[in-house]
Amino acid sequence: DTEVTQTPKHLVMGMTNKKSLKCEQHMGHRAMYWYKQKAKKPPELMFVYSYEKLSINESVPSRFSPECPNSSLLNLHLHALQPEDSALYLCASSQQGPSNEKLFFGSGTQLSVL
Amino acid sequence: RKEVEQDPGPFNVPEGATVAFNCTYSNSASQSFFWYRQDCRKEPKLLMSVYSSGNEDGRFTAQLNRASQYISLLIRDSKLSDSATYLCVVDQTGANNLFFGTGTRLTVIP
Repeated sequence: DTEVTQTPKHLVMGMTNKKSLKCEQHMGHRAMYWYKQKAKKPPELMFVYSYEKLSINESVPSRFSPECPNSSLLNLHLHALQPEDSALYLCASSQQGPSNEKLFFGSGTQLSVL
Repeated sequence: RKEVEQDPGPFNVPEGATVAFNCTYSNSASQSFFWYRQDCRKEPKLLMSVYSSGNEDGRFTAQLNRASQYISLLIRDSKLSDSATYLCVVDQTGANNLFFGTGTRLTVIP
């Protein structure tokens, strides 16, 4: 079982809805990540939080809004998404920070935007 | 040129076969290299880190060739359970980021 927990596992939303994805880890990791993965493609980095501060935003549209309430929690708030935003959203964590560390992934949220 | 390139496959091999994947990377200053395994509709999971001297974990052997800028993964005595997509991951020094290859799909057939 993964030590990074994501909820919900599946989400279907309309383009006018507001929803949030949640991620939690209790390994004491200080870096947390959001990735987006389309079918048969590699994960694409969206955001990185390092020591609870946003350190990387890979030019993600503002309809995706990350939040890191504390070192164990990471949220992704969704608003006015488009059908092309349908994908697997993966949360990950690493011990210290970005760049050269092993990543531990959650099982992901499969998102469908109608 | 992409930061990390892999042959997408698919590689279809019989049980017991030996199979090898290569992955090339563009940044000669990269320092960290990993192989991840991803099953269909599941999250990626770290298979092994790749060290300069090469490293082995059971049936899996990883090698790094800095001169030619590639890493490899060798799987011996393939099992049905080895069927998955294998992702090559390389750090981008100075950019605080890890780059994922597109993955190589392996199917081990009985």
